[in-house]
Amino acid sequence: DAGITQSPRHKVTETGTPVTLRCHQTENHRYMYWYRQDPGHGLRLIHYSYGVKDTDKGEVSDGYSVSRSKTEDFLLTLESATSSQTSVYFCAISEFDFKGNTIYFGEGSWLTVV
Amino acid sequence: SQQGEEDPQALSIQEGENATMNCSYKTSINNLQWYRQNSGRGLVHLILIRSNEREKHSGRLRVTLDTSKKSSSLLITASRAADTASYFCARVQAGNQFYFGTGTSLTVIP
Repeated sequence: DAGITQSPRHKVTETGTPVTLRCHQTENHRYMYWYRQDPGHGLRLIHYSYGVKDTDKGEVSDGYSVSRSKTEDFLLTLESATSSQTSVYFCAISEFDFKGNTIYFGEGSWLTVV
Repeated sequence: SQQGEEDPQALSIQEGENATMNCSYKTSINNLQWYRQNSGRGLVHLILIRSNEREKHSGRLRVTLDTSKKSSSLLITASRAADTASYFCARVQAGNQFYFGTGTSLTVIP
């Protein structure tokens, strides 16, 4: 298994509070991603990073911000959580090698906003 | 999804039958990959097909790619109960961006 650790794995928070999800990798991969997965919507890209301090928006970035100050850590912040952000959040990493590029996923973080 | 869809959304077959699922995409891709997700887990890579390839095999998996129709298909032959999972295709665009759709939920009945 790829060395990806997400924390927390489960969280319940109240509407309007800030929430930060952390993704830590031990693979030294350049690319890191945050996805959310919801029934009927599949897996949607929130933000991704292509290097330290280099990030860009994905399909559903409104209400989310990210930071990457070290190669191994990619943080996703919900500045003011809303019920529509209740979801399962997956961190992923990727790198180019002689085989091509494969994306590896963490085990997910279940977030409930009440 | 803005990037394309998988179909069918759900598929139920008997063990030993073949399962075929399809993936469409809208923009140009560098390659297309298929992933599997067991309930409550992250996605796991199955197979990659490059944009200049038309067919690829890996064990019981066969993937085809038709760039003129912007579509791909995944065939799982001689299915087993353990193949029960959701299957997603990843449309890989420039900048190493991976876009997924809603997936196909496969149930293999023993």
